[in-house]
Amino acid sequence: DIVMTQSPDSLAVSLGERATINCKSNQSVLDSSNNQNYLAWYQQKPRQPPKLLIYWASTRESGVPDRFSGSGSGTDFTLTISSLQAEDVAVYYCQQYYGTPPRTFGQGTKVEIK
Amino acid sequence: EVQLVESGGGLVKPGGSLRLSCAGSGFTFTSYSMNWVRQAPGKGLEWVSFISSSSSYIYYADSVRGRFTISRDNAKNSLYLQMNSLRAEDTAVYYCARDRDYSTSPVGQWGQGTLVTVSS
Repeated sequence: DIVMTQSPDSLAVSLGERATINCKSNQSVLDSSNNQNYLAWYQQKPRQPPKLLIYWASTRESGVPDRFSGSGSGTDFTLTISSLQAEDVAVYYCQQYYGTPPRTFGQGTKVEIK
Repeated sequence: EVQLVESGGGLVKPGGSLRLSCAGSGFTFTSYSMNWVRQAPGKGLEWVSFISSSSSYIYYADSVRGRFTISRDNAKNSLYLQMNSLRAEDTAVYYCARDRDYSTSPVGQWGQGTLVTVSS
C-alpha cells in the first residue's frame, strides 16, 4: 500500500503570511501515460466533514479561493496558502487515489493562527 | 444540490453488528463510485471501502476486510456498510463519500457522518 506522510504535524502562521504543508508518498502517484498525479488535498474544519480543495495535485476545486495552491509531482507534494486568513484554521489532509484502492490519507496537518 | 445522508450509527457491544446506510440525492447515483471513510475521535481520516458504480469493483482497507461488506442499491440511490465482529477500534464517525467524477477521481462530496461507538 502507498503510505502518505505529511509534515509538519502542526504549524502556526500569522494572519496574511504563507503556510506550507508537505506530503510525501512512499511510491510515485504519477501516471506517466497521462502525466497526472493522483493526489488530492482536503480541508477539515471542526465538527465538519472534509472538503476537497485540490485534485490532480494542482487543480483547484470550483469555489476554492486562489490563495490555495498545490504543487509537486511523483512522490513530493506541497499545499500552499499564500496569505492565511482566519477562516483557514483547519486540519489539512493529502490523499492518493492512484491505481486500485486503498486510497490512503496522510495523517493531517493542523494549521493555527500565531 | 448533492446530498449524502448517513444513518444507522449508534452504540454496539464488541463483537456485535451494525448496518450503515447512505441516501444520495441531487445527482445521478448510478453513475458514481462511492466510498466509506471513517474518523476515530480526535484522529485523522481513514479510507474504509470503495464500490464502483455498478458494484463490479469492491475494495476494503486491511483493517476491515473480512468483517465489513459494502454494497449499493442503485434503484434506491443508497449505499450500505454492513459491519460485523465490531471492535473498540472501529469506534469512529463514518462518512459516506462520492467520487468527484465518473472516472478515477478523489472524493468530491461528503455526508455529515454517523457516529459508531463500540463499547461494552
